[in-house]
Amino acid sequence: GAVVSQHPSWVICKSGTSVKIECRSLDFQATTMFWYRQFPKQSLMLMATSNEGSKATYEQGVEKDKFLINHASLTLSTLTVTSAHPEDSSFYICSARQGNSPNNEQFFGPGTRLTVL
Amino acid sequence: GESVGLHLPTLSVQEGDNSIINCAYSNSASDYFIWYKQESGKGPQFIIDIRSNMDKRQGQRVTVLLNKTVKHLSLQIAATQPGDSAVYFCAESFSGGYNKLIFGAGTRLAVHP
Repeated sequence: GAVVSQHPSWVICKSGTSVKIECRSLDFQATTMFWYRQFPKQSLMLMATSNEGSKATYEQGVEKDKFLINHASLTLSTLTVTSAHPEDSSFYICSARQGNSPNNEQFFGPGTRLTVL
Repeated sequence: GESVGLHLPTLSVQEGDNSIINCAYSNSASDYFIWYKQESGKGPQFIIDIRSNMDKRQGQRVTVLLNKTVKHLSLQIAATQPGDSAVYFCAESFSGGYNKLIFGAGTRLAVHP
């Protein structure tokens, strides 16, 4: 099946620094990638939808200037958490979809655990 | 399987029993539904899906039932095994919404030997 990787798998940073998380589709080209955030014991919340070569679409309440998304190629999307604070500590998960058809499944990455001290 | 606050509801079953996990979805326009399994510290893993033109779909040891009238989805796991212990999420999407997935609150399944 299709494989999606994330790097790093975990990161610890100081408050005020920026952190970049990569999401890669390893064996297929992803027209669309999605970024989710998951707090402990809670569900996945969609943060933004990223289409290759265009600006990301952010969900209501998600600050686009704080969570920068770049989908520069069909196999790579990055999420940069700028000026991270302890409340940004969370599990960040990406998913990738091959096309826009409703029949195309989203494949999820393994997640990145961000801890901001 | 609806969540209240920060506490995931837990379903405890004995190994070998059948498990039923329930989910209430929110959008009557949703036309595609998926069940995911998530183990601790990992991303969601696809289990089974169903489209709104069906009311039942079976996979290996799993069955999904869809009741559009009351906007209810269930996942049945036959002969539950310890390896089935995880958090289960339902997700809904509709084709008019760019197929964004909206996840339900989740249910923790604990399988006891």
